[in-house]
Amino acid sequence: EVQLVESGGGSVQPGGSLRLSCAASGFTFSRHWMHWVRQAPGKGLVWVSRINSDGTTSTYGESVKGRFTSSRDNAKNSLYLEMNNLRVEDTAVYYCAREWIIPGRIDYWGPGILVTVSS
Amino acid sequence: QSVLTQPPSTSGTPGQRVTIPCSGSSSNIGSNTVNWYQQFPGTAPKLLIFSNNQRPSGVPDRFSGSKAGASASLAISGLQSEDEADYYCSAWEDSLNGVLFGGGTRLTVL
Repeated sequence: EVQLVESGGGSVQPGGSLRLSCAASGFTFSRHWMHWVRQAPGKGLVWVSRINSDGTTSTYGESVKGRFTSSRDNAKNSLYLEMNNLRVEDTAVYYCAREWIIPGRIDYWGPGILVTVSS
Repeated sequence: QSVLTQPPSTSGTPGQRVTIPCSGSSSNIGSNTVNWYQQFPGTAPKLLIFSNNQRPSGVPDRFSGSKAGASASLAISGLQSEDEADYYCSAWEDSLNGVLFGGGTRLTVL
């Protein structure tokens, strides 16, 4: 059974940093591109980043480009999101998600982790 | 704001057929496949339709998808109370080199 479990969320002040982790199991993690998607309270889904299967290439949404960095450790079946210079508008539930075969086709999602940016 | 446009809400009565449209452009829906997700409050999204009209194992055939040009739609027939949820379309965006989501449509079963 495919499982994705996020951790590392919490409350942080504006300008601060946080590192999210996603533990993957139940599939060959190293074969899949992975995504981070976020959802602000009461709002819709917004794509954050995508990383290729070996971790050498990442792309980002405009609102996080230059502040967020995605990485992975295939030996540990783990995905990471380093978030710097956090803003109030980054407050959201962050989902780790698996891509399936075609770019952008996400087939499994983690339960999500809440990040709150507030002074 | 979302580049994929969905109505914020729709409703139907049990047994009815409802459709949820999703409008995009040539650089997303027009040149890539569309996926649909179902999300219940407080839970993660679930893949409902992929590649425009394919259902993952376990998704009832009451759910169907279609695409024409730069627009897509999700249809739900034989509406049931448990279908009350938020529905999102998504597609790859060539200029972004990333994923676009629609703004989401909240379905209410009256």
